[in-house]
Amino acid sequence: KAGVTQTPRYLIKTRGQQVTLSCSPISGHRSVSWYQQTPGQGLQFLFEYFSETQRNKGNFPGRFSGRQFSNSRSEMNVSTLELGDSALYLCASSSGWGARETQYFGPGTRLLVL
Amino acid sequence: GIQVEQSPPDLILQEGANSTLRCNFSDSVNNLQWFHQNPWGQLINLFYIPSGTKQNGRLSATTVATERYSLLYISSSQTTDSGVYFCAVESSTTGSGYSTLTFGKGTMLLVSP
Repeated sequence: KAGVTQTPRYLIKTRGQQVTLSCSPISGHRSVSWYQQTPGQGLQFLFEYFSETQRNKGNFPGRFSGRQFSNSRSEMNVSTLELGDSALYLCASSSGWGARETQYFGPGTRLLVL
Repeated sequence: GIQVEQSPPDLILQEGANSTLRCNFSDSVNNLQWFHQNPWGQLINLFYIPSGTKQNGRLSATTVATERYSLLYISSSQTTDSGVYFCAVESSTTGSGYSTLTFGKGTMLLVSP
């Protein structure tokens, strides 16, 4: 089985721009969670999608949004980028119960905001 | 919310040495997972261990849920074990009815040849 894939792997943007990141879960997995990793705050939960519905959301501003498609692929969008959004964005998939199950992570997307 | 503390924050070992990493959590949890993040950022799930002991090769983990801690043992360490080890606990999100993974800050391990 192929693992979780994320595209692109690296991104450089400037302040004020927006960005869209993509995550394809393991085949058959229906839950996709997104995390932000920074040196200062560590790994923080952004949101979780299951069957095209946002099931859970972390404590991030509304500039961070996401969606999930019928094939379970997920995208997250960050609008009006700020310098502090520079981070490694990781997505994780599981078969259906999110954090209650083993989470399988993708390689991440490194975003640099200049 | 739940607090997850890992110790030590940094660890340097010679190849072949053994080590124990600790994870303390502030409240009861439904599950606990250990991850290894390699230098390229990839997080690999090592153990799903809400309680008891599990072993996988040179790695083993023990969770004592009643005392709110978990230990990760690495024996005969190799340079490829270098990276950051995270523990993460499942905690409920107020109001949503669902839970999230709360991560500790990690233990950075460097194994030198």
